[in-house]
Amino acid sequence: GAGVSQSPRYKVAKRGQDVALRCDPISGHVSLFWYQQALGQGPEFLTYFQNEAQLDKSGLPSDRFFAERPEGSVSTLKIQRTQQEDSAVYLCASSSTGTGWSRELFFGEGSRLTVL
Amino acid sequence: GENVEQHPSTLSVQEGDSAVIKCTYSDSASNYFPWYKQELGKRPQLIIDIRSNVGEKKDQRIAVTLNKTAKHFSLHITETQPEDSAVYFCAASSSGGYQKVTFGTGTKLQVIP
Repeated sequence: GAGVSQSPRYKVAKRGQDVALRCDPISGHVSLFWYQQALGQGPEFLTYFQNEAQLDKSGLPSDRFFAERPEGSVSTLKIQRTQQEDSAVYLCASSSTGTGWSRELFFGEGSRLTVL
Repeated sequence: GENVEQHPSTLSVQEGDSAVIKCTYSDSASNYFPWYKQELGKRPQLIIDIRSNVGEKKDQRIAVTLNKTAKHFSLHITETQPEDSAVYFCAASSSGGYQKVTFGTGTKLQVIP
């Protein structure tokens, strides 16, 4: 596709449910990031993939959060036993290798998670 | 790790006036400073960026300045228009193992017609 695609766009979960959020990055982009954006705040880093390797997961708030990118393209962010504080927009972004000048992040439209 | 602070959190200007948003960063290893614009309900999009080897960059009505010594950088928008109304995020990134981008908390800019 032409841009980063995320699904679902909106997800309502009952507290305790598991959710899975999908990100389809721009074709050929090596780097993939997940960010969490609470209402009125800036994007907070969650995790980073270079191809299929998860090089940094220091931003994941708890062991209930898990991300994978098994084939180096599509990525899934999974949240187990959701809590109300998990309610936020989850943004996925991809970028090229960065060996050139540009390090632009291309964001998806986000998945808005509401935990009741 | 890197910490980016941004102010003001909200800014209202009359159409045609200038707007300035300021950010500071903590990690002296940071060398790339992008600015993203996020319209209501939309995805963040890059509007301008600057590397640490230059002090200023301009693109039409938008300019960014960088002071590495003081670890601060600013976004300047001149001749503001209603379509400039959005939330603006500054960010900082280093060229270490990978380009982790740390964002500020955002500035909501309102341009009053």
